[in-house]
Amino acid sequence: QSALTQPASVSGSPGQSITISCTGTSSDVGSYNLVSWYQQHPGKAPKLMIYEGSKRPSGVSNRFSGSKSGNTASLTISGLQAEDEADYYCCSYAGSSTLFGGGTKLTVL
Amino acid sequence: EVQLVESGGGLVQPGGSLRLSCAASGFTFSSYWMSWVRQAPGKGLEWVANIKQDGSEKYYVDSVKGRFTISRDNAKNSLYLQMNSLRAEDTAVYYCARLRRSLSGYYSDYWGQGTLVTVSS
Repeated sequence: QSALTQPASVSGSPGQSITISCTGTSSDVGSYNLVSWYQQHPGKAPKLMIYEGSKRPSGVSNRFSGSKSGNTASLTISGLQAEDEADYYCCSYAGSSTLFGGGTKLTVL
Repeated sequence: EVQLVESGGGLVQPGGSLRLSCAASGFTFSSYWMSWVRQAPGKGLEWVANIKQDGSEKYYVDSVKGRFTISRDNAKNSLYLQMNSLRAEDTAVYYCARLRRSLSGYYSDYWGQGTLVTVSS
């Protein structure tokens, strides 16, 4: 049950786009289109941003998008805004368990 | 409005026990899988356990198997986590979350605010 691999940090300027990768294996990310992404601000509960790889819950900005290629899922945030600064976690179904990525801290410069 | 409210956290000595509760409202609790997810101070999210709607299936992360038990009471709209033989590494904020699970989807769409468990002498 190894965690999914995410970059520890990414940064971008307001208005720019960034992409956060999430690498797993053929037993989790690669086997299922069941990756979700969560945003977490300091001291707050996680918030669902993307599910089923690329779908957005109601109320989530269309600046957030998800994709997958092979064993790697990606979260792209376009038109960066100050309020996007947060930690982001990917998550994948893995049979009888659930795997989270280690988290990526997004800094908006 | 969907609400999940955790309680039961606190300070406990190593080897001790604690029972967390999660009170659910605003949805038909008995229709959903539920999860516990924890976050150690300054660390990332870690899945702890899942339970099926009727409690017939339960899954745990390896590090808590044999020590933690997830359960639910659908009549009380409540989810529980019984934690025994606690260790310092179990120190974390524990979140309960509603799990949407199907052939096409697997995600937690609502989360509680969390309850802090500190294991220390």
